[in-house]
Amino acid sequence: DVKVTQSSRYLVKRTGEKVFLECVQDMDHENMFWYRQDPGLGLRLIYFSYDVKMKEKGDIPEGYSVSREKKERFSLILESASTNQTSMYLCASSYRVGTEAFFGQGTRLTVV
Amino acid sequence: GENVEQHPSTLSVQEGDSAVIKCTYSDSASNYFPWYKQELGKRPQLIIDIRSNVGEKKDQRIAVTLNKTAKHFSLHITETQPEDSAVYFCAASYGQNFVFGPGTRLSVLP
Repeated sequence: DVKVTQSSRYLVKRTGEKVFLECVQDMDHENMFWYRQDPGLGLRLIYFSYDVKMKEKGDIPEGYSVSREKKERFSLILESASTNQTSMYLCASSYRVGTEAFFGQGTRLTVV
Repeated sequence: GENVEQHPSTLSVQEGDSAVIKCTYSDSASNYFPWYKQELGKRPQLIIDIRSNVGEKKDQRIAVTLNKTAKHFSLHITETQPEDSAVYFCAASYGQNFVFGPGTRLSVLP
C-alpha cells in the first residue's frame, strides 16, 4: 500500500512564527502536492512538484514556499504564519500525470 | 485555468435510495476525472475514476458517467447505506495536477 505520511496531525503556532510541514511518501512517486482544505472551498492547491528540486505554484501560493530536496519528501513552509493560514493542510502524491493521488492524513494547523 | 463546479453542496437521502452528484469542468484538455470520498476526520480516498476515452464506468454500487461534449461528469451511488455518508469530491486533471470541486456532503438517513 502507498503511504503518504505527514509529520504532525495537529499544530498550534504563534503569529509570525516560521512553520514547517513535512510530507513523506514511500512509493517513488514523481508528483507531490500540498493542498489546503477549508469548509465550502474544497481542496485548493498551494504548490506542487513533479521532480526533485522542481516546484510549481498552485492557486494560492501567497505566504507559502516549498522544498523538495529528495524525491520522497515535500515540505511546506509558512514563512511568517498568520491567523488566516489556520486550516487543514493535506499532502498528496501520484505516480505521474493522470493517475490516482494518495493523500496524507492531514495536518490541522492553528495560528494564534 | 481549469475550473470545476460541483452540485449539490449537501445531499440527504434515505437508506436504499440512489444519490447523484454532478460536476462540470471548463478545460477541454482535461482527460482524467477521479472521485474521492472523505469520511469525517479521515483522508480523501479514491473511490472511482474515469478517463476521457470512456463514457461510463461502474464498480458495484458506484458508477461514473462522463459527457465530454458538455464537459460534465456525474457520480451515481445506488442502494445507499449509512457508511456512504461522507464528503465527496470530484476532480479534473489539469496539466501536472488536479483541480477539485468544492465537495458534496452526503448524508444517508437510516
